[in-house]
Amino acid sequence: SQTIHQWPATLVQPVGSPLSLECTVEGTSNPNLYWYRQAAGRGLQLLFYSVGIGQISSEVPQNLSASRPQDRQFILSSKKLLLSDSGFYLCAWSSYRGGVYGYTFGSGTRLTVV
Amino acid sequence: AQSVTQLDSQVPVFEEAPVELRCNYSSSVSVYLFWYVQYPNQGLQLLLKYLSGSTLVKSINGFEAEFNKSQTSFHLRKPSVHISDTAEYFCAVRTLTFGNEKLTFGTGTRLTIIP
Repeated sequence: SQTIHQWPATLVQPVGSPLSLECTVEGTSNPNLYWYRQAAGRGLQLLFYSVGIGQISSEVPQNLSASRPQDRQFILSSKKLLLSDSGFYLCAWSSYRGGVYGYTFGSGTRLTVV
Repeated sequence: AQSVTQLDSQVPVFEEAPVELRCNYSSSVSVYLFWYVQYPNQGLQLLLKYLSGSTLVKSINGFEAEFNKSQTSFHLRKPSVHISDTAEYFCAVRTLTFGNEKLTFGTGTRLTIIP
């Protein structure tokens, strides 16, 4: 079965420190992968998506970057965190199999920048 | 560009009363539509989706949504809510641009059930 792992679940980092959030997918190959951010009291904003290894599309200008070093691994990074980077980060993948289309989300990482 | 509008940011409802969470989308092409639910301190879970076929789709916990092409709406309804339905609900539309697909979300509706 297809599963998605995201860690850590919570993270508190000081301003100016680096960030690395990892997401891995099991049970599928060549998935489309996504990073979303949910800021407090706001909706979900798509940050990055990837259709293949090394292929990253950025949706909004920001302090973050993403990389896809392997087919089923998607990493969200920052060299220097800002207070405004605080939020709930969700990784997701999409698939279309047997005529059924769907998105699956990870359990999320709550990042607090202090 | 496709977009999703959820007009109600918060909806308080008495327990066992009916509820409707509104969602409108804009798209010039065929769409896939989704409702996701986020319980407190959890990630997103798919509630139901419309891909094609019957315009009325239902979830296992009593929610349903109807795709209305003429009104570009996909409102979520439940005839009788429970305390456990307290959550944030997100409407989303799948977009396809130059062969690249992604989900665009509305800003969410926080459903609060009043005992």
